[in-house]
Amino acid sequence: GENVEQHPSTLSVQEGDSAVIKCTYSDSASNYFPWYKQELGKRPQLIIDIRSNVGEKKDQRIAVTLNKTAKHFSLHITETQPEDSAVYFCAATLGTNAGKSTFGDGTTLTVKP
Amino acid sequence: SAVISQKPSRDICQRGTSLTIQCQVDSQVTMMFWYRQQPGQSLTLIATANQGSEATYESGFVIDKFPISRPNLTFSTLTVSNMSPEDSSIYLCSVETGTSGEQFFGPGTRLTVL
Repeated sequence: GENVEQHPSTLSVQEGDSAVIKCTYSDSASNYFPWYKQELGKRPQLIIDIRSNVGEKKDQRIAVTLNKTAKHFSLHITETQPEDSAVYFCAATLGTNAGKSTFGDGTTLTVKP
Repeated sequence: SAVISQKPSRDICQRGTSLTIQCQVDSQVTMMFWYRQQPGQSLTLIATANQGSEATYESGFVIDKFPISRPNLTFSTLTVSNMSPEDSSIYLCSVETGTSGEQFFGPGTRLTVL
């Protein structure tokens, strides 16, 4: 089955700096790559996603890049704010069902004011 | 998007007992998914629940331990059977919806087994 590795496990940045989280996946057939943000005690929420026919996608301060050849994708957060502090999960999905995702182990992002 | 509710939100149970978790969605969806999130860890898919058919379980999860019902297109239940302390986790249901097939999670059920 699919295997997703996520790095780093923890990341601390100063407010206003950028944060980058990287994930690799094993199955070249995976074609949907969402990123979720989970605040303490809350449910995971989709923040951005990318499909295999797109190399980069941006939504305000958040961007995701995908390199299918290397089988890795990354989350970029610019101008970080304290409210960006949370656990971020990447995921990779085979087939057409977004619900059948394999998740990375998560990155705890701390943005210091 | 989808509005998803779960009951109970949390429970403390004795080992050897069973707990049924309910998941309700505000719109009809073809598939519902059940995940487990152990304390401080990632999410692991337990099974996919389709209306009118048996649930499909992922490797490491079996129907006898986690029976699932899906009586209609807006509701599903997950039962955690013969519980042990190792079953202490957050159990989340999710649905896939929207034109882009995005995944939305319920608020989760925090289960503690003593």
